[in-house]
Amino acid sequence: AQTVTQSQPEMSVQEAETVTLSCTYDTSESDYYLFWYKQPPSRQMILVIRQEAYKQQNATENRFSVNFQKAAKSFSLKISDSQLGDAAMYFCAYRSAESGAGSYQLTFGKGTKLSVIP
Amino acid sequence: DTGVSQNPRHKITKRGQNVTFRCDPISEHNRLYWYRQTLGQGPEFLTYFQNEAQLEKSRLLSDRFSAERPKGSFSTLEIQRTEQGDSAMYLCASSPRWTGGGFEQYFGPGTRLTVT
Repeated sequence: AQTVTQSQPEMSVQEAETVTLSCTYDTSESDYYLFWYKQPPSRQMILVIRQEAYKQQNATENRFSVNFQKAAKSFSLKISDSQLGDAAMYFCAYRSAESGAGSYQLTFGKGTKLSVIP
Repeated sequence: DTGVSQNPRHKITKRGQNVTFRCDPISEHNRLYWYRQTLGQGPEFLTYFQNEAQLEKSRLLSDRFSAERPKGSFSTLEIQRTEQGDSAMYLCASSPRWTGGGFEQYFGPGTRLTVT
């Protein structure tokens, strides 16, 4: 079974600064997808960024980028020019790309609560 | 709003009562998922539908839980004889047919269940 670990329960960042959230995972599979989801307080979870394991290039979405280290099984999220609206719980998630049982479900970490200081 | 919707948003029930939640996925999304999220934890997978077929069930889904998706449209999740340990946020998500990778899941706002 796959596991996802987020070792930082809480992080804070000054507005306009850069912050990096950590995520490690454990899997025996070679093909999979990794995601970062954002869950603002009392609002629904939204996808921030996605990474395919077969792609060496790190994914980027505007101010959000990832550092994907497949050998180290590490998948960190960097938020540049942090804004007040970035304050939320951030969840790292894993999904298998292989067919078979369990291949469609997301496995989540416990989350990191990000606070943005004005 | 064409996102995933869930009703009710909040439910308070007494232990032993039955409750039912509804999820309306994004139109034409053929895949639908239920997750449970307890305080301080990430969501945990419960079950998955492709169209009307329930293809996977987690061990978390005890026999007090049942989910349906008639005609491959909306889905319901029923919990019978609720226990205090069932108190959680129940999240629904949907994903479209093949999009070239990832099967991104789009989440609803959740139903928060409190069992007293």
